[in-house]
Amino acid sequence: NAGVIQTPRHKVTGKGQEATLWCEPISGHSAVFWYRQTIVQGLEFLTYFRNQAPIDDSGMPKERFSAQMPNQSHSTLKIQSTQPQDSAVYLCASSLLDTQYFGPGTRLLVL
Amino acid sequence: AQSVDQPDAHVTLSEGASLELRCSYSYSAAPYLFWYVQYPGQSLQFLLKYITGDTVVKGTKGFEAEFRKSNSSFNLKKSPAHWSDSAKYFCALEGGTGNYKYVFGAGTRLKVIA
Repeated sequence: NAGVIQTPRHKVTGKGQEATLWCEPISGHSAVFWYRQTIVQGLEFLTYFRNQAPIDDSGMPKERFSAQMPNQSHSTLKIQSTQPQDSAVYLCASSLLDTQYFGPGTRLLVL
Repeated sequence: AQSVDQPDAHVTLSEGASLELRCSYSYSAAPYLFWYVQYPGQSLQFLLKYITGDTVVKGTKGFEAEFRKSNSSFNLKKSPAHWSDSAKYFCALEGGTGNYKYVFGAGTRLKVIA
């Protein structure tokens, strides 16, 4: 079992560019979660899917952020017009029931 | 509303000592509670969970935690501590209503001095 896979592991973008982050959940897991981690804000919930359907996006900034899960094998988090304050580690987790298993994260740096 | 409080941002102790990291929560119904560990430069790893039943739960790496409904706490323990336990520890709560979303505490950074 490869665990949750996140690509890329590091991404550097210029201010105003778009960033797309990928997550491949553990095979058979029905839920996928996205979090953002910064030193200042800590771990912030962004959004989650169950059986590919969006369930809760209450943590997503209303502008510029969007997430999709087009099939059971991957989810994407897209940030349009990136800003320096978007710099963070973006974590994806998957679960079958109550226990979430986290991927290694994507470290996004917006210059 | 759900919330998790980890009151100690930093804890330092000597190798061989007993460690106890505090976690309290606020939730009106029966919570599901979790502990995760994050080693420097790594992601979060699951340690243990309490769902129901025995209030003392054992997890990986020799850790255990005790659920105390009376004071809404779920403290993490290990004895003895080892220098390799140095990491950041997060307590999390899930509402247990079938919505599997977690609320995390701010974390406690543990340093074990050899």
